[in-house]
Amino acid sequence: DAGVIQSPRHEVTEMGQEVTLRCKPISGHDYLFWYRQTMMRGLELLIYFNNNVPIDDSGMPEDRFSAKMPNASFSTLKIQPSEPRDSAVYFCASSLLGAHEQFFGPGTRLTVL
Amino acid sequence: GENVEQHPSTLSVQEGDSAVIKCTYSDSASNYFPWYKQELGKGPQLIIDIRSNVGEKKDQRIAVTLNKTAKHFSLHITETQPEDSAVYFCAASIGNQFYFGTGTSLTVIP
Repeated sequence: DAGVIQSPRHEVTEMGQEVTLRCKPISGHDYLFWYRQTMMRGLELLIYFNNNVPIDDSGMPEDRFSAKMPNASFSTLKIQPSEPRDSAVYFCASSLLGAHEQFFGPGTRLTVL
Repeated sequence: GENVEQHPSTLSVQEGDSAVIKCTYSDSASNYFPWYKQELGKGPQLIIDIRSNVGEKKDQRIAVTLNKTAKHFSLHITETQPEDSAVYFCAASIGNQFYFGTGTSLTVIP
């Protein structure tokens, strides 16, 4: 299996622009998680899906952030408009057993200028 | 919510020595405790985990112990090798939520 796939790996954008991060979970996994990693706050859960349905989005920082999962093999995390404080590494993870045994993707390093 | 504390933040050991990283958690409802290794530029990789009904688990050179009464768990790496150098994260899980520690940067000196 190819593991969790994320794209792009790096994204540099200017403040105010829309950013879309993409994730393909491991085939057969029914849970998908979006995390953000920064030096200051560490790894934070933003939102997670079960069977394509958002279950808990309490970690989404603001209304500028939105996430969708239109099917079992694809999810997006969108930031509109982006701000410099959104600069971070965003990880997608998937699992078959809920929070147990989550497999992380390689991450997207986002820089907002 | 759950609060996970991890110590030390940095750790240097000589190759062949053992390394121990400790974590504490606050919520007794936590029932699953994974450990992740993150190498530079990569995503966290699960290396070992333990469930709340088990006190110890071992996988080759790595082991994890859990003390539910004291609410702490530890990662033990024996016979360390340079390729063990990375950042290690502990986590505690309640339901489907992971709460991560702040990470330990381990350096194994050849």
